[in-house]
Amino acid sequence: GDSVTQMEGPVTLSEEAFLTINCTYTATGYPSLFWYVQYPGEGLQLLLKATKADDKGSNKGFEATYRKETTSFHLEKGSVQVSDSAVYFCALAPRAAGNKLTFGGGTRVLVKP
Amino acid sequence: GAGVSQSPSNKVTEKGKDVELRCDPISGHTALYWYRQSLGQGLEFLIYFQGNSAPDKSGLPSDRFSAERTGGSVSTLTIQRTQQEDSAVYLCASSLGQGGFDGYTFGSGTRLTVV
Repeated sequence: GDSVTQMEGPVTLSEEAFLTINCTYTATGYPSLFWYVQYPGEGLQLLLKATKADDKGSNKGFEATYRKETTSFHLEKGSVQVSDSAVYFCALAPRAAGNKLTFGGGTRVLVKP
Repeated sequence: GAGVSQSPSNKVTEKGKDVELRCDPISGHTALYWYRQSLGQGLEFLIYFQGNSAPDKSGLPSDRFSAERTGGSVSTLTIQRTQQEDSAVYLCASSLGQGGFDGYTFGSGTRLTVV
């Protein structure tokens, strides 16, 4: 079945550091890929998405590129802020109707001033 | 409404009691999902509704769990004879239909604590 693997946290960074969270997936066909973010005490929010190979999703300074050849969708941000402290979830959904999201285990990121 | 609304936001119940969790999706969204987020773990799919089709119940962990969606809108997740391992945050999400393209909008969740 479909699965998503992402690096375990916590990831602790200083403000303005470069952030990378690795995500790889296993799926049949060509799924859509997502990053969700969960800030402390809040629900999940869609951060960015990519629906086909080589697409780049971007939002709030975060980027991720859909790499079919490596089945990856790594999340990056060039200069993190304290407000980026959150749990980040990588997820996939098959293209077929009736699909559902399969999530990775989440990566907690803590940015220190 | 403007977002996915879940109630209650917090629920503490005694072991063995039944609980009902409510989800009010975004107006016009035909797909509705329930997920469970246990402490320190990822998100576990529970059940999926799409329009008038039969729901996908493949994620329900036991027959103590059930869900319904009335009129293609509001959904209720019911847990009977609650156990301590049912303690988790229950998240509801909705999408316009082809969630695989649009992603899903999540509610803030119901934190269930079974004591």
